[in-house]
Amino acid sequence: GEDVEQSLFLSVREGDSSVINCTYTDSSSTYLYWYKQEPGAGLQLLTYIFSNMDMKQDQRLTVLLNKKDKHLSLRIADTQTGDSAIYFCAESSGYSTLTFGKGTMLLVSP
Amino acid sequence: DVKVTQSSRYLVKRTGEKVFLECVQDMDHENMFWYRQDPGLGLRLIYFSYDVKMKEKGDIPEGYSVSREKKERFSLILESASTNQTSMYLCASEDNRGASGTQYFGPGTRLLVL
Repeated sequence: GEDVEQSLFLSVREGDSSVINCTYTDSSSTYLYWYKQEPGAGLQLLTYIFSNMDMKQDQRLTVLLNKKDKHLSLRIADTQTGDSAIYFCAESSGYSTLTFGKGTMLLVSP
Repeated sequence: DVKVTQSSRYLVKRTGEKVFLECVQDMDHENMFWYRQDPGLGLRLIYFSYDVKMKEKGDIPEGYSVSREKKERFSLILESASTNQTSMYLCASEDNRGASGTQYFGPGTRLLVL
């Protein structure tokens, strides 16, 4: 079945850029997503990218998609302590359910 | 703003009890989902529903059932709770008329089964 892989942990200093990487196996993926989960809360959609796009930028967030390598990344510019959270990559083939990665815990230190 | 609410934030039950987890969304979404989240395993889909009275099994339906009598409400039922069902349960809803997969999540219910 489909699989989505992420590294489990990333630590950065405040003000640096963070890059969270994700790989997926489903070549029919239509949409790819980044969700954020703050401690004790549900998931919140950050951004998504359609598979015919290479890049999407939204304020401090930049999503890059390499469809050939099935690689998705999320770059957070000027990372703040409030960005500390778990970030989930997810993919959908457009028919129904999402397949989530296991999440990357981002820790931002002052 | 889309709002997805779950009936309890924390719940403690005993082995063998019947447990109901309720989820309500206020945006007239067709699709609703139940996940469980465990450390190191990420989110796993238990059941989902595309419409009232419809349900589909997800990846780990064993030990669970669901009910969708009204469009806005999707209930997860543990018929006889067991300790391995201790977990964080997340409900989500999705508008299938928009971009596929834009799911909106509730705050989660942390269930402890003793």
